[in-house]
Amino acid sequence: DQQVKQNSPSLSVQEGRISILNCDYTNSMFDYFLWYKKYPAEGPTFLISISSIKDKNEDGRFTVFLNKSAKHLSLHIVPSQPGDSAVYFCAASGGDYGQNFVFGPGTRLSVLP
Amino acid sequence: KAGVTQTPRYLIKTRGQQVTLSCSPISGHRSVSWYQQTPGQGLQFLFEYFSETQRNKGNFPGRFSGRQFSNSRSEMNVSTLELGDSALYLCASSATGVNYGYTFGSGTRLTVV
Repeated sequence: DQQVKQNSPSLSVQEGRISILNCDYTNSMFDYFLWYKKYPAEGPTFLISISSIKDKNEDGRFTVFLNKSAKHLSLHIVPSQPGDSAVYFCAASGGDYGQNFVFGPGTRLSVLP
Repeated sequence: KAGVTQTPRYLIKTRGQQVTLSCSPISGHRSVSWYQQTPGQGLQFLFEYFSETQRNKGNFPGRFSGRQFSNSRSEMNVSTLELGDSALYLCASSATGVNYGYTFGSGTRLTVV
């Protein structure tokens, strides 16, 4: 039973446009969320986080939105750049998992020049 | 500063054998976590060590074990290898492991034949 879901395995976006990556979770006890970016043959790189006490966190071109009632979060990348092409993982922690993270399966983003 | 180092990068083993993977965390980091990544499954948490003690454990069989040394370096051992153990094994370190974005290594790609 997957507690963190990323229902889009892949996404293609034109350079300069907005990329929106979605993530849904089922465990209402999760209270801290992260997004990671992963290039081939490398480990995931931390991108941005959000705590359940906030509904938005922004860092440069990256903004994460959290909708607790819908158990949904999204990562917006504006403007998208070819170097953003990677696999993006959503991760959640809290409840029985404590500080350990449950990861989604990832979404492969391709930014087309 | 040096990142998280995992050795070896690649391993090929035969069913029934055992394997030991190594992870050297960022200097000063005391928390080391291990994750298994397989296609379509995202990252699944194996276990976490903090100051030589296993602090949390995921849902993996007892064939998967680990330990942490006084210098925070960690090893993961898998005994009686099965074909389904073929995966990328990632190690991540953090200063405390408490609501903190981990830094990941590049992983060890294990292939069981």
